[in-house]
Amino acid sequence: AQSVTQLGSHVSVSEGALVLLRCNYSSSVPPYLFWYVQYPNQGLQLLLKYTSAATLVKGINGFEAEFKKSETSFHLTKPSAHMSDAAEYFCAVSNAGKSTFGDGTTLTVKP
Amino acid sequence: KAGVTQTPRYLIKTRGQQVTLSCSPISGHRSVSWYQQTPGQGLQFLFEYFSETQRNKGNFPGRFSGRQFSNSRSEMNVSTLELGDSALYLCASSLGRGTNEKLFFGSGTQLSVL
Repeated sequence: AQSVTQLGSHVSVSEGALVLLRCNYSSSVPPYLFWYVQYPNQGLQLLLKYTSAATLVKGINGFEAEFKKSETSFHLTKPSAHMSDAAEYFCAVSNAGKSTFGDGTTLTVKP
Repeated sequence: KAGVTQTPRYLIKTRGQQVTLSCSPISGHRSVSWYQQTPGQGLQFLFEYFSETQRNKGNFPGRFSGRQFSNSRSEMNVSTLELGDSALYLCASSLGRGTNEKLFFGSGTQLSVL
């Protein structure tokens, strides 16, 4: 069985501030972990994925995530928020063709 | 290369009716999966098709069904619609069924049941 928990359904930061979106996972096998972003009225786009090659994963738009096995976490960060980062972000774990998504975190960026 | 295409973009139906949603995956992709997204439940997995066979199924009633054609295009059908079926239905495609396969999502079909 696998599951994903995203802590905080809403996160608000000021433009230029650090973005930290939290994700904890549960998986009975070594996990493959993903972060997706969804802009209003659009489908999901892949930000980055962890596939055990490196614990620090760099994605698009300046985002990165660090896999910490001891904490079963895969938090998403960005050093400096931009207005265009405002969206909903989903963490997901994948196994055997089935992806399980967290409930999502809505990121608001204040000017 | 064209992305994942879902049609129609919006649908309005009444209770008791049935609906068919269509998904065209990226060319060469053989796996298609469907998700239901609602504000209250988030993203929930419906089913996955690969090579015209359903490989995985989520926890949805039998009113939700799907199929995949030989060209990998997929359709999802919901019969006897209920108000609670109002949601954004997302289709995603991937090259294969590997665990670390990247999913490519369509923009979704927004279904409203009145």
